[in-house]
Formats: sequence, C-alpha cells, structure tokens
Amino acid sequence: KQEVTQIPAALSVPEGENLVLNCSFTDSAIYNLQWFRQDPGKGLTSLLLIQSSQREQTSGRLNASLDKSSGRSTLYIAASQPGDSATYLCAAPRPNDYKLSFGAGTTVTVRA
Amino acid sequence: EPEVTQTPSHQVTQMGQEVILRCVPISNHLYFYWYRQILGQKVEFLVSFYNNEISEKSEIFDDQFSVERPDGSNFTLKIRSTKLEDSAMYFCASRVDSSYEQYFGPGTRLTVT
Repeated sequence: KQEVTQIPAALSVPEGENLVLNCSFTDSAIYNLQWFRQDPGKGLTSLLLIQSSQREQTSGRLNASLDKSSGRSTLYIAASQPGDSATYLCAAPRPNDYKLSFGAGTTVTVRA
Repeated sequence: EPEVTQTPSHQVTQMGQEVILRCVPISNHLYFYWYRQILGQKVEFLVSFYNNEISEKSEIFDDQFSVERPDGSNFTLKIRSTKLEDSAMYFCASRVDSSYEQYFGPGTRLTVT
C-alpha cells in the first residue's frame, strides 16, 4: 500500500519568499508523481507531473524534483505571491497501477 | 483547453435516498476514476473504470455504489441508499493513457442530511 506524507502541514511566508514543499512516499516503484493545487472548497488543479525516469520538471515559477530511491519529491515555488495561497497536494500511484494515493497536503499562506 | 466537468456542483439529499453524480471526462481519455474527499481528510480513491468495466475498486466502494458509462461521453457514480458518512466532495478524473497525468473535475459536494 502506498502511503504519502507531506511536511509541513501548513506554511506562512511573506510575499517574495521561495517556498519548499516536501512529499514522501513509501513505495518507490511508481510510474510518476503528480502535484496538485486545491483552493478552499474547490477542485484539484494539476500543476506538474514527473515521470519516474525524470528527476525534475519545471513549469514557470514551479519546479518539482523526484528522488525515487529515497521516496521523496519536493515542490519549489519561486518568488511567492499572495495568489499562490492554497493547499498543495502530492499524489503517487501504487506500484503497478495508476490510482493515486494522496498526501494530506501543505496549506500555504503568502502574506502581502 | 479541454476539461473534466461535473454536475451538480452541490447536491443535498436525505439519508436513504439515491443520488447520481455525473461527470463528462475529456473526450479522448480512456481511463476514468472517482475519488472522494471528506471534509478535512485526504482525497481517497473509490473506483477506476476502463474499457467499459471496473478495473479496480477500494474497500469504500461497496454494493451501495455503482458506476456507469451510459454513452460515449458521460460517466456516472450512483449511491443507492445514502448514509450520513457519504457526505463528501466527489471528484471525477480521467487520463488519456498509462503514463499521462490525471485531470480532475471541479467536484460535486454531496451533503446527506
């Protein structure tokens, strides 16, 4: 069974600071790992997908790294803005299938 | 940009009633999923669907739940006799192929009273 843990549970930073969000998973035999953003009461917006063969994936101010051997992924958000305030979820599929196991998320608050 | 859509956005029902949650996945996607998120808890997998049949289901997905793809575009989740503990946000997701990301709909908030 794939267990996904996210630390910290909450983070508050001043605008402009870089954000570092951590995700760990128990079984490293994954096909890929996906990061999502969730605004309060809303759906899940896919931010980045990292394939198991990749070590990094970038989209604008977002960069995600993947270290399968240690069971870790990190999401970096550069130069944070108040609009980045949301909950960020990490999700990894169980070995040999694609259904996602989610972490509990990191709730980010960027103070203006 | 294509997106997954879900209706209704909010459904209120009485305990014991049947509800049907509807989803329209992205048109060229082949794999379909339902997840749910109870308030304050993790998003959890319910069921996956491929080639017109269930490919996997979780222990949550008991005989009270069913899924159907009645035509080429809709994907539905039915709960036959709702319980208070079924109150949650239900998300539909789809993906095109095995290595691709899952795209989620905006969710249906189900409130069972």
